[in-house]
Amino acid sequence: AQSVTQLDSQVPVFEEAPVELRCNYSSSVSVYLFWYVQYPNQGLQLLLKYLSGSTLVKGINGFEAEFNKSQTSFHLRKPSVHISDTAEYFCAVNPDSGYSTLTFGKGTMLLVSP
Amino acid sequence: ETGVTQSPTHLIKTRGQQVTLRCSSQSGHNTVSWYQQALGQGPQFIFQYYREEENGRGNFPPRFSGLQFPNYSSELNVNALELDDSALYLCASSLPGASASGELFFGEGSRLTVL
Repeated sequence: AQSVTQLDSQVPVFEEAPVELRCNYSSSVSVYLFWYVQYPNQGLQLLLKYLSGSTLVKGINGFEAEFNKSQTSFHLRKPSVHISDTAEYFCAVNPDSGYSTLTFGKGTMLLVSP
Repeated sequence: ETGVTQSPTHLIKTRGQQVTLRCSSQSGHNTVSWYQQALGQGPQFIFQYYREEENGRGNFPPRFSGLQFPNYSSELNVNALELDDSALYLCASSLPGASASGELFFGEGSRLTVL
């Protein structure tokens, strides 16, 4: 079984500041890793994913994440946030075989203020 | 290209009633998954359908059931509703290979309130 821990339920930050949203996972098998974003009253949208290869992955809207196998982490970063980045961010894992049964963390609310 | 659409967007039921939620998958996607997102929680996997058959199931009781139709649209049925069933129900579609790598396309969800 897999589990995902998002260490911060809420992260307040000022516009144009850098941000890091933390994610740790636990799994007995190899996994794929994802970050999804959920804007208010909308469904989830894939931000980025790590399947294999380079541990630094770049996604949409200027976000990137780094896979660290030894620390079982997949932290999300953005060097300069905008007001429009205010949303809920979910880290998720999926076993690297079989069908998709994404296991999500509880989410981190990113609050960007002017 | 149309995205994933779900209906209804909001509904209110009372305990013991039954509910059916509907989902039209994104064009060309033949795999549909359903997730339950309780308030303040991440989505939890309910089940997945591929070629009209259940292809995997999470830790949900049998009163949660589903269907997939030949046009790949899907239904989620919940019988004997309980207060804890109040949640946002999300449908996600994908291509078979993309499904295994977690590339899901989500609808905006159906918000169910059970009184």
